[in-house]
Amino acid sequence: AQSVTQLGSHVSVSEGALVLLRCNYSSSVPPYLFWYVQYPNQGLQLLLKYTTGATLVKGINGFEAEFKKSETSFHLTKPSAHMSDAAEYFCAVRKGIGNQFYFGTGTSLTVIP
Amino acid sequence: KAGVTQTPRYLIKTRGQQVTLSCSPISGHRSVSWYQQTPGQGLQFLFEYFSETQRNKGNFPGRFSGRQFSNSRSEMNVSTLELGDSALYLCASSLGDRDGNEQFFGPGTRLTVL
Repeated sequence: AQSVTQLGSHVSVSEGALVLLRCNYSSSVPPYLFWYVQYPNQGLQLLLKYTTGATLVKGINGFEAEFKKSETSFHLTKPSAHMSDAAEYFCAVRKGIGNQFYFGTGTSLTVIP
Repeated sequence: KAGVTQTPRYLIKTRGQQVTLSCSPISGHRSVSWYQQTPGQGLQFLFEYFSETQRNKGNFPGRFSGRQFSNSRSEMNVSTLELGDSALYLCASSLGDRDGNEQFFGPGTRLTVL
């Protein structure tokens, strides 16, 4: 079975500082990887995804993530945090068509002014 | 294109009652998944429907059931409600026919069981 681990349920950064949210997955085959963001009282919104090709993936709002197969990781980064980035972030993995999505437990990002 | 819609947005029920939640996917999407989100458990997968057939199922008791109609709209039913069923129920739709298809989420239905 797939599993996704997000290290750090709460992360705080200062405005303008680097954002790094960690995600590791377990999979016997290269999976499809996703990052979602959830703002209060809303559903989840896709930030970016990795399917095939370039391992560095750029998403919306200045976020990017790098797929590292050797480390089974898909960490999310943003060079400079903005107050509007405060939200819950979820990493998800899917093995392939016909398989369900597996979500991590989420990381709550706080941005300190 | 209109996004994923869920109705109702808020529900208050009492223990022992049953409830039906509705989800309308994005036009053209044939896959609909349901998730339960609670502060302590994160997103828990309930089930996925694709072209009216249940394609995947999570580890929830039989009190939780669902179905999908020919227009891809989906309903989720919870019978004999328990206090622990209080949660945000999220619906997500996807084209569902390719590996890398992402899911698009609705705003959720907030269920409170008293």
